[in-house]
Amino acid sequence: AQSVTQLDSQVPVFEEAPVELRCNYSSSVSVYLFWYVQYPNQGLQLLLKYLSGSTLVKGINGFEAEFNKSQTSFHLRKPSVHISDTAEYFCAVEAGGTSYGKLTFGQGTILTVHP
Amino acid sequence: KAGVTQTPRYLIKTRGQQVTLSCSPISGHRSVSWYQQTPGQGLQFLFEYFSETQRNKGNFPGRFSGRQFSNSRSEMNVSTLELGDSALYLCASSLGQGRVDEQFFGPGTRLTVL
Repeated sequence: AQSVTQLDSQVPVFEEAPVELRCNYSSSVSVYLFWYVQYPNQGLQLLLKYLSGSTLVKGINGFEAEFNKSQTSFHLRKPSVHISDTAEYFCAVEAGGTSYGKLTFGQGTILTVHP
Repeated sequence: KAGVTQTPRYLIKTRGQQVTLSCSPISGHRSVSWYQQTPGQGLQFLFEYFSETQRNKGNFPGRFSGRQFSNSRSEMNVSTLELGDSALYLCASSLGQGRVDEQFFGPGTRLTVL
């Protein structure tokens, strides 16, 4: 079975500051990793994904994440945040194989960007 | 290309009733997954359908069921509603071609059980 831990439930930050949202996972098999963002009263939007290849993944809106297999982490970073980045962010894993279509999510991190 | 659509967007039901939610995937997508989102439990996987067959199921009671039609549209049904079933129900679609791929989410159906 897979599990995902998002280490911070809330992250406050000032506009134009850098931010890192932390995500650790556990799995007995190879996993595929995702970060999603959810704005109030909306569904989830994919920010970026790691399926294979380069461990540094670039996504939309200036976000990037690095897959670290030895530390079982997939932290999300942005060098300079904007007010519009205020939202809830979810890290998720999918194991593939017989678990196709089954995402396991972390508890979410609420990012609040202050002016 | 149209995104994932879910109907209805909002529902209010009373305990003991049943409810059916609908999800239309992106054209060409054959896999549909359903998730329940609550403040206490977060996002939890309900089940996944591919080509009208349930391939995966989460840890929910049998009151939660689903199906998929030949056009890949999917429905989920909850019978004998309980207060704890109040949640945002999200569906997501993907190509489902035997490999892990991005899931595209709909806006969700907000179910309130009174």
